[in-house]
Amino acid sequence: QQPVQSPQAVILREGEDAVINCSSSKALYSVHWYRQKHGEAPVFLMILLKGGEQKGHDKISASFNEKKQKSSLYLTASQLSYSGTYFCGGSEQGGSEKLVFGKGTKLTVNP
Amino acid sequence: GAVVSQHPSRVICKSGTSVKIECRSLDFQATTMFWYRQFPKQSLMLMATSNEGSKATYEQGVEKDKFLINHASLTLSTLTVTSAHPEDSSFYICSARVASGGGATDTQYFGPGTRLTVL
Repeated sequence: QQPVQSPQAVILREGEDAVINCSSSKALYSVHWYRQKHGEAPVFLMILLKGGEQKGHDKISASFNEKKQKSSLYLTASQLSYSGTYFCGGSEQGGSEKLVFGKGTKLTVNP
Repeated sequence: GAVVSQHPSRVICKSGTSVKIECRSLDFQATTMFWYRQFPKQSLMLMATSNEGSKATYEQGVEKDKFLINHASLTLSTLTVTSAHPEDSSFYICSARVASGGGATDTQYFGPGTRLTVL
C-alpha cells in the first residue's frame, strides 16, 4: 500500500524549517527518503530501519516512530538547493526489496 | 557514491515501433535492478523487479509482453517497450540496489531517467 505523505506542497523562505511526514497503514520494514528535482533522477537522502530511530546529516534529518508506521523528514535552515519533490519509499515487513513510494511533497524555497 | 546511468536520455519514436532503454551500474554490481514509470507531477510507480540471470517480476497491471526486461549481467538491465503507443509516453527510471546482504535495507540508486515520447 502506498504511504501517505503530507503536506502535498510547502513554500518556504530561505532559512525557514520544514517537516515532511510519511505514514503507512502497516508497519514498514524500512523507509527511504529521496529528493527529486524537475526532470532529474531521485537522489537518495537516507534510510531508516529501526523503530525509534533518528538520523541525519548536516541540516537534514529524519525519524522513524516506534511502531514503524510513520517517518518524518526535517529540513532546518532551508537553502535554495533544498527545493524539489521529496518522496518517501517504504518496504514491507518480511524484507521485500521493493519500495512503494508516496505521492511526494513539493518543497519550494524562495530567497 | 554509486552511479547508475541510463541510455538514451530522450527518445522520440513513431507509434508501433519498439524502443530499448539501457540501465547500467557503473561502479558496482547490482544483482537487482528496478524499473519505474513516472507521469508528470506524479509518484514513482514500480513496473518490475529485475534480477540478474532470472525472469523479471512484474507488478500487477504491467504487461510483461509489452515491457520486456532483460538483466543480462550484474551491471546491465534493459527495458524494451514493444509496439509503443502514445499512451506509453512517460519518464522511465531505473534503479539499482547496492547489495550488502540486507535485502530491503539496501539502498537503491536511481539512474537519470529516459523521457519517451511516442508520436
